[in-house]
Amino acid sequence: DTAVSQTPKYLVTQMGNDKSIKCEQNLGHDTMYWYKQDSKKFLKIMFSYNNKELIINETVPNRFSPKSPDKAHLNLHINSLELGDSAVYFCASSQDVWRGAQETQYFGPGTRLLVL
Amino acid sequence: DAKTTQPPSMDCAEGRAANLPCNHSTISGNEYVYWYRQIHSQGPQYIIHGLKNNETNEMASLIITEDRKSSTLILPHATLRDTAVYYCIVRSNSNSGYALNFGKGTSLLVTP
Repeated sequence: DTAVSQTPKYLVTQMGNDKSIKCEQNLGHDTMYWYKQDSKKFLKIMFSYNNKELIINETVPNRFSPKSPDKAHLNLHINSLELGDSAVYFCASSQDVWRGAQETQYFGPGTRLLVL
Repeated sequence: DAKTTQPPSMDCAEGRAANLPCNHSTISGNEYVYWYRQIHSQGPQYIIHGLKNNETNEMASLIITEDRKSSTLILPHATLRDTAVYYCIVRSNSNSGYALNFGKGTSLLVTP
């Protein structure tokens, strides 16, 4: 079974549309993350949730809204998609953020978003 | 978190040891050294981490110098499947939310 899964794997859409990416982890972890990898391959944190509560919200446009219905799921909703949103989005999870620097993160396979 | 410096690319022959260096000269006492890798079109994968002592697991060994200013990730018998971008990351408990700060990494090419 896949530990961290994302759907869809590929997403092609038009500018101005609203889309969602789903993430699920079956590791029993308390903390989940969303990262963005741009065309230059830089990976940057967007959001982090611990026990369904937001703990990181980097400088991300408010068109991006994470939603955590339960500890095992962290979905990413994007409104009014723009060309610059084209990227690969990775979900990750870790056991417990409060172990700090000892915490290992496990990543999903990524969702490749292309905005036309 | 302390900044890290890695060579942009390295080559290694299949079956040989791959030694990937990382410089973290500004590391402080409570900061850990982590290594992740990203194989093409996949999500990053945890490899190993350490604080002061050398560490070994089924994937790799991590050698940290005594002054902790640099480290080396060793893949003892590189295979073609080890071709990936390798990221050296220094993390501290002061990083709010404990996100990983990925740099540019080292692109390792394992050749037949």
